[in-house]
Amino acid sequence: EAGVVQSPRYKIIEKKQPVAFWCNPISGHNTLYWYRQNLGQGPELLIRYENEEAVDDSQLPKDRFSAERLKGVDSTLKIQPAELGDSAVYLCASSLALNSGGETQYFGPGTRLLVL
Amino acid sequence: QKEVEQNSGPLSVPEGAIASLNCTYSDRGSQSFFWYRQYSGKSPELIMSIYSNGDKEDGRFTAQLNKASQYVSLLIRDSQPSDSATYLCAPGKLIFGQGTELSVKP
Repeated sequence: EAGVVQSPRYKIIEKKQPVAFWCNPISGHNTLYWYRQNLGQGPELLIRYENEEAVDDSQLPKDRFSAERLKGVDSTLKIQPAELGDSAVYLCASSLALNSGGETQYFGPGTRLLVL
Repeated sequence: QKEVEQNSGPLSVPEGAIASLNCTYSDRGSQSFFWYRQYSGKSPELIMSIYSNGDKEDGRFTAQLNKASQYVSLLIRDSQPSDSATYLCAPGKLIFGQGTELSVKP
């Protein structure tokens, strides 16, 4: 079974440029998460989807970040414009529904973003 | 007070020793607790989950939970160099500690 797929794996951009990340969760997983992980820190939740619905986006900087999960499968996370402080690893994870025993989150390999 | 605090690393232990990783959390309503292992440059992977006070053992790993003290720990017996990684505590499914880096020396 394929795991969580993310692309690109690495991205280098100049500040003020836009960037987008893509995630394909494990088949059948209703819940999808986007995390940001800074060096030496744990993952920080940006947004969580239950199917197509964003149910927890309180930590998403909405002035520059946006996300979507059309058809309840793939998801994209966008930053526009990027700032130097956005340099981090962006992790996508998926699980069964949280209220259906979806205790195990499976993480993708992440996208390493460097903003110059 | 931080929501989750883990003992600062790096923690260095000799091969074969017991590694003890500690975590305190602030949300008294937390009901589920998870330990993730993250190798350098890789993504976190779940290694232990615990829901009730007491100990839970899985192979060389033992998780200990004390909800009254808001404390959860992970013990790794017979530590191996392959255990060298950062261990993340997660009290609840959506919050992670900053991680403790463990180094097991041959």
